[in-house]
Amino acid sequence: KAGVTQTPRYLIKTRGQQVTLSCSPISGHRSVSWYQQTPGQGLQFLFEYFSETQRNKGNFPGRFSGRQFSNSRSEMNVSTLELGDSALYLCASSLGGTGPGSGANVLTFGAGSRLTVL
Amino acid sequence: AQSVTQPDIHITVSEGASLELRCNYSYGATPYLFWYVQSPGQGLQLLLKYFSGDTLVQGIKGFEAEFKRSQSSFNLRKPSVHWSDAAEYFCAVGAPSGNTPLVFGKGTRLSVIA
Repeated sequence: KAGVTQTPRYLIKTRGQQVTLSCSPISGHRSVSWYQQTPGQGLQFLFEYFSETQRNKGNFPGRFSGRQFSNSRSEMNVSTLELGDSALYLCASSLGGTGPGSGANVLTFGAGSRLTVL
Repeated sequence: AQSVTQPDIHITVSEGASLELRCNYSYGATPYLFWYVQSPGQGLQLLLKYFSGDTLVQGIKGFEAEFKRSQSSFNLRKPSVHWSDAAEYFCAVGAPSGNTPLVFGKGTRLSVIA
């Protein structure tokens, strides 16, 4: 089956602009999580969406936002870009759900979107 | 709050040599534990996972990891490293309920020399 697809793979923006990244999860997966990866900070959790609702949110400013559509596809948006937003943005999908044992719903990652802010 | 420490930022091993990557976690109960690998320019691929039961778990590509509750560790091992194993390795901890996000360590970069 097809994996997690992220678009675009690479993009260059300038400070002050905004950017939208897209993630198509594995068919049947209802949860989509977003992570920011930088050399200094490693992988930092941005947010998770499950059935179109934000279920968890990391410690990022309000410039970072996301949404999920009824087909489970997700987008994240970063407004008023700063140089420090340059990173690899990773999307991961899973079956989702909560309750005992739901943590066994393994994350499957996409290849990421590499954002460079000049 | 849960956290993961990978003490080694960068490790270099010779091809054919054994490998052990360290991972220590902080979590209030028995967590779910994962190892992921990331090749350059790629996303993360799951190597193996521990949920419960046998504390020695086998994964893909000949990797294994051992959960040691007393040491809060989940070290990754491979008996003989191949040049293609050069990549970055991430340990992660998660809640069995699935209601909080996975927390990752900062990663260990593995270089393999001839």
